[in-house]
Amino acid sequence: DQQVKQNSPSLSVQEGRISILNCDYTNSMFDYFLWYKKYPAEGPTFLISISSIKDKNEDGRFTVFLNKSAKHLSLHIVPSQPGDSAVYFCAASAGGQNFVFGPGTRLSVLP
Amino acid sequence: GAVVSQHPSWVICKSGTSVKIECRSLDFQATTMFWYRQFPKQSLMLMATSNEGSKATYEQGVEKDKFLINHASLTLSTLTVTSAHPEDSSFYICSALRVGSPLHFGNGTRLTVT
Repeated sequence: DQQVKQNSPSLSVQEGRISILNCDYTNSMFDYFLWYKKYPAEGPTFLISISSIKDKNEDGRFTVFLNKSAKHLSLHIVPSQPGDSAVYFCAASAGGQNFVFGPGTRLSVLP
Repeated sequence: GAVVSQHPSWVICKSGTSVKIECRSLDFQATTMFWYRQFPKQSLMLMATSNEGSKATYEQGVEKDKFLINHASLTLSTLTVTSAHPEDSSFYICSALRVGSPLHFGNGTRLTVT
């Protein structure tokens, strides 16, 4: 049973446009959500997080939106750059101890 | 800068030998570290949770005698792949839990068993 889902295995976006990566979760106990970026043969790198008391968190080109009623979060990257091409993992945690990761979405930003 | 150091980054070993991978938290104490495995084009698979001073908790399907985990100090956890076989070839990643912070990952270790 996948508690964290990323239903799009891949996404292609033109450089300069907005990239929207989606994530759904099933466990209502999750109260902390994170996005990680991963390049091949490297460990994931933390991008941005949001706690359940907020519905939006912004950091530069990256914004995460949380819709608790829909158990849905999304990562917006604008403007998208070729260097953003990577696999993006959504993760969720209840109480900050155990982290459950989604299967990832491969983003390709086309020049 | 990096807060979790993983070593080695790449190792090639012969079938039947054992390989040790180290995961160190830099500048903070990590009572909990996690070990993951990633197959090509697949997601991170949690193998085990390593707790300092106690036995690791293994996920279902992960052989504890095959993948030995030792969390001897608050800054170091090791994963030893014992009697490695070609099917153990994979990308192994550790992460360390820092209270009040997101999970930080090491850069991973690519294991190739010939």
